[in-house]
Formats: sequence, C-alpha cells, structure tokens
Amino acid sequence: RKEVEQDPGPFNVPEGATVAFNCTYSNSASQSFFWYRQDCRKEPKLLMSVYSSGNEDGRFTAQLNRASQYISLLIRDSKLSDSATYLCVVNSQYSSASKIIFGSGTRLSIRP
Amino acid sequence: SQTIHQWPATLVQPVGSPLSLECTVEGTSNPNLYWYRQAAGRGLQLLFYSVGIGQISSEVPQNLSASRPQDRQFILSSKKLLLSDSGFYLCAWSVGPLAGGPRMNEQFFGPGTRLTVL
Repeated sequence: RKEVEQDPGPFNVPEGATVAFNCTYSNSASQSFFWYRQDCRKEPKLLMSVYSSGNEDGRFTAQLNRASQYISLLIRDSKLSDSATYLCVVNSQYSSASKIIFGSGTRLSIRP
Repeated sequence: SQTIHQWPATLVQPVGSPLSLECTVEGTSNPNLYWYRQAAGRGLQLLFYSVGIGQISSEVPQNLSASRPQDRQFILSSKKLLLSDSGFYLCAWSVGPLAGGPRMNEQFFGPGTRLTVL
C-alpha cells in the first residue's frame, strides 16, 4: 500500500459544480496534512493546511478523518481557474527533521 | 515576505556531464530546505532535505548530492548525469524546527528547473 494515495482522475466537471476528492494515508502517526495545487509545468503552491477540526477558506473546505486515515478537499461553485492537479501531502515528523510524503495528485478539469 | 529563487529555469545537458542547481531563500532564517524531483506525469520525489548549514539527509540513494554552504543556500549536484535524471527539480523551504507551531511543515516551492538529459 502506498503511504499516500489519491485517485489520479481526471475529474471533469462543469463550471459551478461541487467536487470533492479524498486522499488516504497509511501512517497512523502522521501529524500534518496539506493540500497543494499544481498547474501544468509549474511548481506546487500551498492551498490549505488541514487542521483536525477541518477548515474552510472561501469555496474550499478541507477535512481530516483520523479514524479512517483520510483527508478530503471540497470545492464549491467551481471556476474554470480551479483546473489543476491537487496534491495531498502528509507529514510524519521525527526528531528534528520532517518526512513529507506527496500524493501523485488528482487532476481536475472544469469545463464551461 | 519570503521568496525562493531557483536557477536555471531550464537546462539541457548531455549524459555524463556534471550538474549544479542552486536555490536561495530570502526573508527567513534557519529554514528547512528540500530538493524534490518530479518526473513527467508523476508525483514529487523527495531527494534531500536540510535542517541547517552542512546538514544534509538523503532520501533516495542515487548519483545526486546536495550541499548547504550557507543558511539560505541549497545546491543540488551531480558529477555525471544519467538519462533517468531528467525531470522537474523543485527546491522548497519551510519554517525550521526551532520556530515550532502548526505552520512549521508548510512548504513553499521555488519555480523549478526543468532538466533534460540527452
């Protein structure tokens, strides 16, 4: 089993729709969780940190389910500009260093 | 505010040639620094990370090496490139362990270097 798994997609949804994807992780001791967005041929950019209580930023909602070991990202009222690859990141920290695992990403395509 | 620079943006090198990619961070002190590689259509692979000057941890054994000669400078090198070294190389920084807090593992990436080995 991969340490961090994502459905590669692509998710192809119409503008204005709500879309959600999950990311599962295998290490129950994982401590930090993030969603990044990566546009084609660009660097990943931090979208949201995922806190234990879940958090919302405008149209984006992230949630953490420790019991089932997954995090989710919900995008409401999707825009054309939301088309990108969304990377799930899980961090299990030990001593003074960090071990950060990136998922392979979920491709999202918003159509007019 | 913090910024991270990488150069060059693109690079085409023959097999067997050396490599040196540089990354510098501005606006922060004692950052954690990271080198990643992303092959075409693939996820990010962590290559090296550093928590301080001269402190390098290697995640994947290969023909690459990294050095951190200054607090905010991170260099990725190779003596002889292989075809399989082609990819998108990304440098990232995060707040160092001394800072603590929930944001210490948030990573911020440079624009990347696209390397093609022929």
